[in-house]
Amino acid sequence: AQSVTQLDSQVPVFEEAPVELRCNYSSSVSVYLFWYVQYPNQGLQLLLKYLSGSTLVKGINGFEAEFNKSQTSFHLRKPSVHISDTAEYFCAVRPSNDYKLSFGAGTTVTVRA
Amino acid sequence: EAQVTQNPRYLITVTGKKLTVTCSQNMNHEYMSWYRQDPGLGLRQIYYSMNVEVTDKGDVPEGYKVSRKEKRNFPLILESPSPNQTSLYFCASSLDIRRSGANVLTFGAGSRLTVL
Repeated sequence: AQSVTQLDSQVPVFEEAPVELRCNYSSSVSVYLFWYVQYPNQGLQLLLKYLSGSTLVKGINGFEAEFNKSQTSFHLRKPSVHISDTAEYFCAVRPSNDYKLSFGAGTTVTVRA
Repeated sequence: EAQVTQNPRYLITVTGKKLTVTCSQNMNHEYMSWYRQDPGLGLRQIYYSMNVEVTDKGDVPEGYKVSRKEKRNFPLILESPSPNQTSLYFCASSLDIRRSGANVLTFGAGSRLTVL
């Protein structure tokens, strides 16, 4: 079975500063990796995904993530955040040979002026 | 507009009073799933369905039932709700994940349930 660990539960950050959200996973097989964002009082929406190929993945709203197979990580980054990036972010993993999508516990990002 | 619609969005009920949370999608998706979201635990899968009349348990199915009589609908049934089922519930759907590795889920807006 796979598992996902988001290493930070809360990340406060000032507007226009960079942010990194850390995600580690464990799986005995190859995986697909995802980052979802949940804005206040809304459902989740996909930020970006890694299926194969280039390990640097670009998503919506200026976010990017890098897949590191040796470290089993998929960290999310944004070079300059806006107030509107205040949200909860979820890392998710699905083994390539299974249907099940597993989510991390989430990281709450609060952007302050 | 492509969407997943859940109802009700908010519900307060009492222990033991049966309730149903409806979920409907207009994207002709084969795969549908229910999750509950609790602080510090992320999203945990309750039940999922690969297609009409095909359902299976997720990680936390106890106390819940589902049905998939039509492709577009996937209701979540709490036969006898208890306070530990107080949570935020999300329905999600996608194309058949066996055909597409992307498994990009489209989520509903959520249903906040409180059981007293």
